[in-house]
Amino acid sequence: DIQMTQSPSSLSASVGDRVTITCQASQDITNYLNWYQQKPGKAPNLLIYDASNLETGVPSRFSGSGSGTDFTFTISSLQPEDIATYYCQHYVNVPPYSFGQGTKLEIK
Amino acid sequence: QVNLVQSGAEVKKPGASVKVSCMASGYTFTTYGISWVRQAPGQGLEWMGWITAYNGNTNYAPKLQGRVTMTTDTSTSTAYMELRGLRSDDTAVYYCARGVATLGYWGQGSLVTVSS
Repeated sequence: DIQMTQSPSSLSASVGDRVTITCQASQDITNYLNWYQQKPGKAPNLLIYDASNLETGVPSRFSGSGSGTDFTFTISSLQPEDIATYYCQHYVNVPPYSFGQGTKLEIK
Repeated sequence: QVNLVQSGAEVKKPGASVKVSCMASGYTFTTYGISWVRQAPGQGLEWMGWITAYNGNTNYAPKLQGRVTMTTDTSTSTAYMELRGLRSDDTAVYYCARGVATLGYWGQGSLVTVSS
């Protein structure tokens, strides 16, 4: 199995801060990585696909980068509505398409 | 607009089976696959597998092989996920999502509780 290691597991930041989450794959996944946002009691929502492409309708303060084994997700200026848990997920054609363990983002 | 509507909550006894449905609308059902993801209470997301709607090819998580079956009914644009031999650690919210790699639309989730 390909393991996805996300860090940190939780994060507290102030409105307006730049927030960065990392995701490391246990083997090369090229750019086969998505980022999802999940708010409490809701289904996940796709933000970034293919490591760096912004899903239609997603605010431009969200971005992703990386390839191979190391990936980064960034919120350029944290807004109150960004409070959620964020997950990375690979989709290299080797099941399972594992998710990272999640990063819970809170407002300081 | 794309919409995925899932069946309601279920309570099952250990050893029983559950079948969750996911009715799609707003797009051509056979153009995309359907993935299933579950989330135990207070835990992260767990990928379960996917099915391609146009030919029924499946790809299951190894830990669920032998207990899970994913099917589709193209006449009603509905996907199904059946899980057999339920255990207490199968208690979770089960989500369907459109796609096999990039999951752009999700159902509302179906809570399955396994309890004696």
